[in-house]
Amino acid sequence: GAVVSQHPSWVICKSGTSVKIECRSLDFQATTMFWYRQFPKQSLMLMATSNEGSKATYEQGVEKDKFLINHASLTLSTLTVTSAHPEDSSFYICSARDTGVDNNEQFFGPGTRLTVL
Amino acid sequence: GQNIDQPTEMTATEGAIVQINCTYQTSGFNGLFWYQQHAGEAPTFLSYNVLDGLEEKGRFSSFLSRSKGYSYLLLKELQMKDSASYLCAVVRGDYKLSFGAGTTVTVRA
Repeated sequence: GAVVSQHPSWVICKSGTSVKIECRSLDFQATTMFWYRQFPKQSLMLMATSNEGSKATYEQGVEKDKFLINHASLTLSTLTVTSAHPEDSSFYICSARDTGVDNNEQFFGPGTRLTVL
Repeated sequence: GQNIDQPTEMTATEGAIVQINCTYQTSGFNGLFWYQQHAGEAPTFLSYNVLDGLEEKGRFSSFLSRSKGYSYLLLKELQMKDSASYLCAVVRGDYKLSFGAGTTVTVRA
């Protein structure tokens, strides 16, 4: 089946540092990937849509200069949280759509738990 | 805006049936997903409805009424491992997903 990996699984960093999270589709190509954020006991909130070879599109209220997205290949998207602060602590989940299949299904990665001290 | 409502919590006994309702008002509709999510893990796919009616898959069934903006997920023969959060997600007109807040189901022996 379609597998999406994320790295790292968890990360603890100091306030003011930048953190990069990788999302990979392991056995399929993904022109489009999505980045979500989930706070405790809340739902997944879409942050941005990552498009291979073009700029990401961000949801309203998400700062594009703070959450940098790069989708340089058909199997890899990265999210960089720049100058992280404690309020950025959250569970970040990516998902990917299989380019070769014409449906709406998204396959989710296992998530990255970010803690900013 | 997007408005997707589902109950916060439900509790049921092992072997019983539980129905989780989801109502939605979204900008466009291209289908509805149900996902299961265990704490600290990513959501896993359960079902997808795009046409009205009931989709049955083993112990899980999902129903959709587009005219009413309503769906439900039915879990039969509950097992302890079914204790999790269940997320209703609508595929919007722009083909992005909007999630409900999730329903935490607790299965008791």
